[in-house]
Amino acid sequence: EAGVAQSPRYKIIEKRQSVAFWCNPISGHATLYWYQQILGQGPKLLIQFQNNGVVDDSQLPKDRFSAERLKGVDSTLKIQPAKLEDSAVYLCASSLLWGADNEQFFGPGTRLTVL
Amino acid sequence: GENVEQHPSTLSVQEGDSAVIKCTYSDSASNYFPWYKQELGKRPQLIIDIRSNVGEKKDQRIAVTLNKTAKHFSLHITETQPEDSAVYFCAASNSGGSNYKLTFGKGTLLTVNP
Repeated sequence: EAGVAQSPRYKIIEKRQSVAFWCNPISGHATLYWYQQILGQGPKLLIQFQNNGVVDDSQLPKDRFSAERLKGVDSTLKIQPAKLEDSAVYLCASSLLWGADNEQFFGPGTRLTVL
Repeated sequence: GENVEQHPSTLSVQEGDSAVIKCTYSDSASNYFPWYKQELGKRPQLIIDIRSNVGEKKDQRIAVTLNKTAKHFSLHITETQPEDSAVYFCAASNSGGSNYKLTFGKGTLLTVNP
């Protein structure tokens, strides 16, 4: 089966600019996750969708980050305006069912550099 | 919320030796503990997981042990090979409660020297 797709793979922007990332999960996967992975650290969950509804966004900096999953398939994550500390790899993952004990399949990530 | 500590941060072994990575967690309600392997520049991939109703699980050269009383779990890799070189992440979650999200450790960079 095809894996989780993400684009772009790399993005360089200046602080205060806006950026958007796109994710296409594995077909049929109901749950979609966005993680932020800062260099040298483990992934940190930003937001979790069950179909097109938000299940958990408690760690999403809502003053600058937003995400949506229209129609319960693709998802976009936006940062506006970006700060230097947003430099990280943004990973999208999906799982067939809801619940953290379902295997999560990760995409290749988008490496964001904020100058 | 859950806090996961992982040690060591780096580990270097000779090919054929065993490697052990240890994690501790803070939320006694956590009941699901996966391990992910991330090769340089690639995506994390699940290699093994364990649920709180068992104390040990094996899959060929890898095994995970869980001590619920002490709130720690470990990854054991035997007969290490150069292709085992990667960053390994442990994680924990309470799959049946409100804290169902995975909380990851900071990772262990394993280097297997030929």
